[in-house]
Amino acid sequence: QITLRASGPTLVKPTQTLTLTCTFSGFSLSTSGVAVGWIRQPPGKALQWLALIYWDDDKRYCPSLKNRLTITKDTSRNQVVLTMTDMDPVDTATYYCAHKSPTTFHWGQGTLVTVSS
Amino acid sequence: QVVLTQSPSASASLGASVKLTCTLSSGHSNYAIAWHQQQPQKGPRYLMRLNSDGSHIKGDGIPDRFSGSSSGAERYLTISNLQSEDEADYYCQTWGTGEVFGGGTKLSVL
Repeated sequence: QITLRASGPTLVKPTQTLTLTCTFSGFSLSTSGVAVGWIRQPPGKALQWLALIYWDDDKRYCPSLKNRLTITKDTSRNQVVLTMTDMDPVDTATYYCAHKSPTTFHWGQGTLVTVSS
Repeated sequence: QVVLTQSPSASASLGASVKLTCTLSSGHSNYAIAWHQQQPQKGPRYLMRLNSDGSHIKGDGIPDRFSGSSSGAERYLTISNLQSEDEADYYCQTWGTGEVFGGGTKLSVL
């Protein structure tokens, strides 16, 4: 059974860097074709892809946020980390991580991050 | 980059069928997509992967009432025998050089 859980701070101040960790089980991020990604959803708004990292360390970023995002993986610990710099109140959102393979997709439990001074 | 277009809202009666549409931008009509459902105050749930030929692979536990089809640049999600729990936001998603979501369709079950 594939499970993913996003964790990190619930409150960050403007200009700070956000670090989120996705801890997963039920699959290996060293398996060909597998990827883990981050998606966010501001309150009342649509889903937005942020970043994705593949088993071979290929990385994809949302073009409009590319300069602020870094995604890394630790295969041995079954974790994927997302950092987002220069946080702003408009970045307040629920952040989800997800597993993606050529044939399936699994959502993790999200975490609400509020950006406020 | 590919763009996905969805109608903001749709409605249908309890027990009826509804067909939601996701349109791929020009030049991307051969792309596969995925459909996701988000019920109110819940996280999203993966429904299916839908290929350009209309073949689809559903996620675990997705009822037979949910099906997908394709025509050109259009990708469809059909929900039959609508239930109250089908009232939700439905998002399409695709991938290429990067991942993209459509803006979502809010489905109301009357």
